[in-house]
Formats: sequence, C-alpha cells, structure tokens
Amino acid sequence: GAVVSQHPSWVICKSGTSVKIECRSLDFQATTMFWYRQFPKQSLMLMATSNEGSKATYEQGVEKDKFLINHASLTLSTLTVTSAHPEDSSFYICSARDWLGGSSYNEQFFGPGTRLTVL
Amino acid sequence: KNEVEQSPQNLTAQEGEFITINCSYSVGISALHWLQQHPGGGIVSLFMLSSGKKKHGRLIATINIQEKHSSLHITASHPRDSAVYICAGTTRGSQGNLIFGKGTKLSVKP
Repeated sequence: GAVVSQHPSWVICKSGTSVKIECRSLDFQATTMFWYRQFPKQSLMLMATSNEGSKATYEQGVEKDKFLINHASLTLSTLTVTSAHPEDSSFYICSARDWLGGSSYNEQFFGPGTRLTVL
Repeated sequence: KNEVEQSPQNLTAQEGEFITINCSYSVGISALHWLQQHPGGGIVSLFMLSSGKKKHGRLIATINIQEKHSSLHITASHPRDSAVYICAGTTRGSQGNLIFGKGTKLSVKP
C-alpha cells in the first residue's frame, strides 16, 4: 500500500515550452501533497505545499506564476513548469500525506521523481 | 547553520561493517524521518520516529528527543545498501512539511 506515482519519469523539452508533471496517490487519499526540487548533489528543497481544493502555498523564492500547481482531487496533483528554461532543469519529486489522522498523519510517501531537462 | 545536520557527509565501508549515520536538529519537529535515495533518484521512506527505537531487518533507527538527535544504524552492511541516506524532520503545524538534512552518501565495497 501507500504508493505514489509520478508521470512522466523523465522529460526533455525546448526552452520556452511548458511541462506538466502529475503526482498520483494510487491506494490512498491525500489531502496534502508536497512538491520538491533537487539539483545535482544537493538535498531536496520544498517548492510548495498543495492542499486539495485550495491554492497551493509556495516557499519563498519560488515563483507561483512559473510553477503552477493544481490539486483538484484527493489523488492527483499536477505541477506545470511554464515557459521552461535551462535553469529549471532539475529532479522534481512529489510526496503525499494520507488524509487520515492519528499516528499515520506525519508519514509521507514519495513519488519516484521526474527528471526535467530543458534544452 | 542548517536546521537539520547530518554526519558524516560521505561514508565508505567494507561489506559486513556496522554503519552509523547521525542526525541532529535544532527546530521543533513532530516526527523524524530516515529516507533512502538510490542513484536513480527515487526515494524510499525507511523509518518515521517520534520516540524510542525502530528496527526493520538490518536497519535500526533511534531518536533522543531531549538531545534532538537521531541515528540510523545498518548492521552487516552490503553493497546494495549503497545510497544516499537523508534525515528529515516534520515541522510542527498544520502543513507538516519536511525539512531535510543534506544527506549522507554511503558506499559499501564488496
């Protein structure tokens, strides 16, 4: 149980195009999903917190108009990188938190990540 | 200074050795996570702790809340344990996002 999928697993695009990354919780409902970015040899950095049915909360320094997040259902959140540039090339990872409370509340389940390369 | 500090940054061990990775945190957290990231990038959650000790196979994780310190131990290490091990804390509050250490890169030689 507790599987999170991401699609695509990798994508190469031209500068100026937009790329959509999907994050799905396959066997549980996730009221909260998190989007992280990881540059080579660095740790994960939180980009935004996505709550189902409401606007995402972005971390300082993350442009909300560039990284569009939609969390329209309890099992799906999407991250769209608009007008991508080479500096957006990175590894993007999502995680999802089960909506059930109690002891499992703090547990997060990670997707396999999406490697974005912008030429 | 990072809010979550890990040591060592890099660790090379021979197969069979007992390995310890340390994590200290300076902020209030509601849970402490140990994560494993393989070269392909995918992340696996190994443990989530709020107190005491947990064991899963050859992996043991401990946490000392008073000292704000956690350790991850690997017994009888194997080359397949080679990965980056990341310590992360769940922040207090409704969002509960994670703050990450910089990771420990472990290489286990046969």
